[in-house]
Amino acid sequence: DQQVKQNSPSLSVQEGRISILNCDYTNSMFDYFLWYKKYPAEGPTFLISISSIKDKNEDGRFTVFLNKSAKHLSLHIVPSQPGDSAVYFCAASGLLQGAQKLVFGQGTRLTINP
Amino acid sequence: NAGVMQNPRHLVRRRGQEARLRCSPMKGHSHVYWYRQLPEEGLKFMVYLQKENIIDESGMPKERFSAEFPKEGPSILRIQQVVRGDSAAYFCASSPEGGQGYQPQHFGDGTRLSIL
Repeated sequence: DQQVKQNSPSLSVQEGRISILNCDYTNSMFDYFLWYKKYPAEGPTFLISISSIKDKNEDGRFTVFLNKSAKHLSLHIVPSQPGDSAVYFCAASGLLQGAQKLVFGQGTRLTINP
Repeated sequence: NAGVMQNPRHLVRRRGQEARLRCSPMKGHSHVYWYRQLPEEGLKFMVYLQKENIIDESGMPKERFSAEFPKEGPSILRIQQVVRGDSAAYFCASSPEGGQGYQPQHFGDGTRLSIL
């Protein structure tokens, strides 16, 4: 039962353009969502988060949008840079899950082309 | 380095041996989590601990796996009588006290366990 889904295994974007990564969830009890970036042989690095009381959170080049009615969130990176090439994971948690337990998607491999 | 520290980075064991994975949380963090990642998959939650207490172990296999976070020293994930299916990357994360689920977890670089 995959409660958090990233349906695009990979995404290729030209340098300087916008990268949009998508994530869907099925559990309506999730109320906190995060995006992590992961390079090979390293641990996930926290990027940005959003709680369910908001629909947008912005931090520099990164913006996360949350659509609760559609159970969908997205990460926008603009402008995209070569160093953004990595695997991106969305994660969710909620009271039903145990507030500290993160449920991860399968990841999307982002490649930024020069 | 004030980040989450995991050791060893790589661990090779033969079937039937024991594996011990260590995790020191970030300074000031009292909550520790363990996750497992199989190839081409996302991370799967295993266990959540605070000092001397297991809070949630709903993701731990019922047999051979155990975890602890003693009053002094690192958190330990222990796998007894390892099998080939235990081969994976094991990540530890930590978060500070408070926030009740609204604090992001920060991850170490993982231990890659290989079973021969």
